[in-house]
Amino acid sequence: KQEVTQIPAALSVPEGENLVLNCSFTDSAIYNLQWFRQDPGKGLTSLLLIQSSQREQTSGRLNASLDKSSGRSTLYIAASQPGDSATYLCAVRSGGGADGLTFGKGTHLIIQP
Amino acid sequence: SAVISQKPSRDICQRGTSLTIQCQVDSQVTMMFWYRQQPGQSLTLIATANQGSEATYESGFVIDKFPISRPNLTFSTLTVSNMSPEDSSIYLCSAMLQGWQNTEAFFGQGTRLTVV
Repeated sequence: KQEVTQIPAALSVPEGENLVLNCSFTDSAIYNLQWFRQDPGKGLTSLLLIQSSQREQTSGRLNASLDKSSGRSTLYIAASQPGDSATYLCAVRSGGGADGLTFGKGTHLIIQP
Repeated sequence: SAVISQKPSRDICQRGTSLTIQCQVDSQVTMMFWYRQQPGQSLTLIATANQGSEATYESGFVIDKFPISRPNLTFSTLTVSNMSPEDSSIYLCSAMLQGWQNTEAFFGQGTRLTVV
């Protein structure tokens, strides 16, 4: 059974810092991996999607990497801003069929102004 | 991308009653899913909503408690039956959108359910 772990569980940094969020998964036979952000009381916003054959994806100040063989992904946030404060969730999709996502517990990020 | 609308956005219900949550996607999708997010926890998959056939439930979830309908490729409902305070959670609908080189998941805004 796939298990996803995210470290750290919480992180508080001053505005402007670059930071890295970590995600690991136990079964490397994944179809893809997605990073989401969740604001309090809200649904999930998809940030980046990495296919199993890809090494990284970039969107603006966000960069996600994937090392499938070691079961790891990182989300790099450059020049953090207070608006980046949210919970960041990592989720993997196993297999190529109709499987749903397996989520980590998330990293609660606070960017101090 | 896909826009997913869920309603109600929140509700407070009496124990022993049932609530039906609706999920509408703005385009036809093959795969729709329902998740639960208990307080302070991450998301757990409840079931895959299959169009034209019975939903596929994950371990720990049963049809009698969480009946699901999927009458077409854009709409699904989840019912939380015979509710107890332990059912207080956020329930989220998700759809998988098939792109030309990948399949991406999108989520509704969720339904915050409180059972008293």
